Amino acid sequence: SQQGEEDPQALSIQEGENATMNCSYKTSINNLQWYRQNSGRGLVHLILIRSNEREKHSGRLRVTLDTSKKSSSLLITASRAADTASYFCATDRAGTASKLTFGTGTRLQVTL
Amino acid sequence: NAGVTQTPKFQVLKTGQSMTLQCAQDMNHEYMSWYRQDPGMGLRLIHYSVGAGITDQGEVPNGYNVSRSTTEDFPLRLLSAAPSQTSVYFCASSYSPGATYNEQFFGPGTRLTVL
Repeated sequence: SQQGEEDPQALSIQEGENATMNCSYKTSINNLQWYRQNSGRGLVHLILIRSNEREKHSGRLRVTLDTSKKSSSLLITASRAADTASYFCATDRAGTASKLTFGTGTRLQVTL
Repeated sequence: NAGVTQTPKFQVLKTGQSMTLQCAQDMNHEYMSWYRQDPGMGLRLIHYSVGAGITDQGEVPNGYNVSRSTTEDFPLRLLSAAPSQTSVYFCASSYSPGATYNEQFFGPGTRLTVL
């Protein structure tokens, strides 16, 4: 069963706007990761946030984690056409350090 | 470094045929894993390995076998292909045995169709 569920399933914005994607999960976790997948390609790691962290930044990316609500959000600021991709969150159940469970993803379309 | 490589890129099988999907990495990573990606389902873990000689099952292991004789290679075997195994298969690796504490590096994928 899917541990992570992303919301929305699809998002279309114009270049320069911010994009926010959300991930909800079901059980306690050690860490949460976000990945990007361009069409027809493998996944690329974006950022990892540990369960004791609440916010993390990397360039134009901002990730938040609320363990009490079992949710995370990924914010991409000043989006570019090159950000067009699918974005997945990946979580692990506490105590299963070798297994990641991926959500179903958010398809982001950034238009000029 | 080539990173994670997968062969073949595309494959068409008939029901009942067997085949091996190849995966190799040149980053000296301990952890390797196989996922399948189906539309609307995200990625699901098939098998994983925390080091040479050690493998374990993931979420959807039925119909697949793996072995890890070297650090570099982690082949995935389909024993008797079924149409339900039509999917895109990704191999991934990471530095240490704990996949969740490190980023995973993904291969480009193998698109498999079973008729």
